[in-house]
Amino acid sequence: GEDVEQSLFLSVREGDSSVINCTYTDSSSTYLYWYKQEPGAGLQLLTYIFSNMDMKQDQRLTVLLNKKDKHLSLRIADTQTGDSAIYFCAESIWDDKIIFGKGTRLHILP
Amino acid sequence: EAQVTQNPRYLITVTGKKLTVTCSQNMNHEYMSWYRQDPGLGLRQIYYSMNVEVTDKGDVPEGYKVSRKEKRNFPLILESPSPNQTSLYFCASRDGTRNEQFFGPGTRLTVL
Repeated sequence: GEDVEQSLFLSVREGDSSVINCTYTDSSSTYLYWYKQEPGAGLQLLTYIFSNMDMKQDQRLTVLLNKKDKHLSLRIADTQTGDSAIYFCAESIWDDKIIFGKGTRLHILP
Repeated sequence: EAQVTQNPRYLITVTGKKLTVTCSQNMNHEYMSWYRQDPGLGLRQIYYSMNVEVTDKGDVPEGYKVSRKEKRNFPLILESPSPNQTSLYFCASRDGTRNEQFFGPGTRLTVL
């Protein structure tokens, strides 16, 4: 069945780049998403990429998609303390069926 | 202000006592969904709706019902709640032509 996998934790020093990785299983996915969840809050869409794209950049965020390997990554440049959150990878299968990963908790070291 | 609202935000109830969690959006979105978030399991989709009177099961629909009689509202109904439905629930909506889902603030449900 459909599945989205991501590592559960990542620690990064302030000012360094963070790279959060995700793999998915369904090759028919149309869109892939990155969401951010801050403590006690709902999910906020950070960025998304259409499945026929390889890369998307938006300010400090860079999304890379390797469709052959079904691998998605989110790079956050110049990581700040405000980037501390849980990051969810998600894929859209069809209509509004969306599969989320378990989330990667990003911890910023001073 | 464009938003998704959920009520109640917190609820403690007992096994078997029917409850409804309301969800409302003011953005005229066609698509609405319900998710539950559990530690170590991430978000799992319960039900989704593509428009009024059109609903479909997500990954974990057992024990839940939904209805979509009006475009703005998408209530989640637990006819006979059980302790394994203790969770954090999120409602979300999106426009049919865009990809951004707007999430509600969440409802933390505890079933004793």
